Amino acid sequence: KQEVTQIPAALSVPEGENLVLNCSFTDSAIYNLQWFRQDPGKGLTSLLLIQSSQREQTSGRLNASLDKSSGRSTLYIAASQPGDSATYLCAVRLGTGNQFYFGTGTSLTVIP
Amino acid sequence: DTGVSQDPRHKITKRGQNVTFRCDPISEHNRLYWYRQTLGQGPEFLTYFQNEAQLEKSRLLSDRFSAERPKGSFSTLEIQRTEQGDSAMYLCASSLLTDGAGYTFGSGTRLTVV
Repeated sequence: KQEVTQIPAALSVPEGENLVLNCSFTDSAIYNLQWFRQDPGKGLTSLLLIQSSQREQTSGRLNASLDKSSGRSTLYIAASQPGDSATYLCAVRLGTGNQFYFGTGTSLTVIP
Repeated sequence: DTGVSQDPRHKITKRGQNVTFRCDPISEHNRLYWYRQTLGQGPEFLTYFQNEAQLEKSRLLSDRFSAERPKGSFSTLEIQRTEQGDSAMYLCASSLLTDGAGYTFGSGTRLTVV
């Protein structure tokens, strides 16, 4: 079974800072990896999807990287804003099967 | 509407009652998934449909749980004889049949069993 770990569990930063969220997974035979954002009591919003053949994806102030061999992905958020406050979840899909395996998330608070 | 819709948003039920949730996926998405999320945890896979066929079921899906996707469109998740441990957010997601496609999630149904 794929184990997905996210560090740190919680992070608090002042507005304007750049920050990095980490995701590690135990089985490197992944198919793709997806980063999501979840606001309290809400569903998940997709941020970035990285295929196993890709090294990174960018969308606006977000950049996600993937290093399959080391079993790691990072989500970089530039110039953080209070509206970025949410829980960020990393999900990994293996080459076999159709389900995503989720980490427990990083709770981000951006202080104005 | 181009998103995944779930109904109801919230459900409070007494222990022992049956509940049913509905998910309407994005219309062109062939794949549909149900996940369960408890407080402070990431979502856990329950089951997966490709069109109307239920292709995968987690061991989390006890015999009190049943899911259907008639005609490959909307899906329902029924929980019979609810228990307090069933209290959670039930999330539905859909994706294209294309290899490598990502998920789009709905807003979820929050179930509270009292």
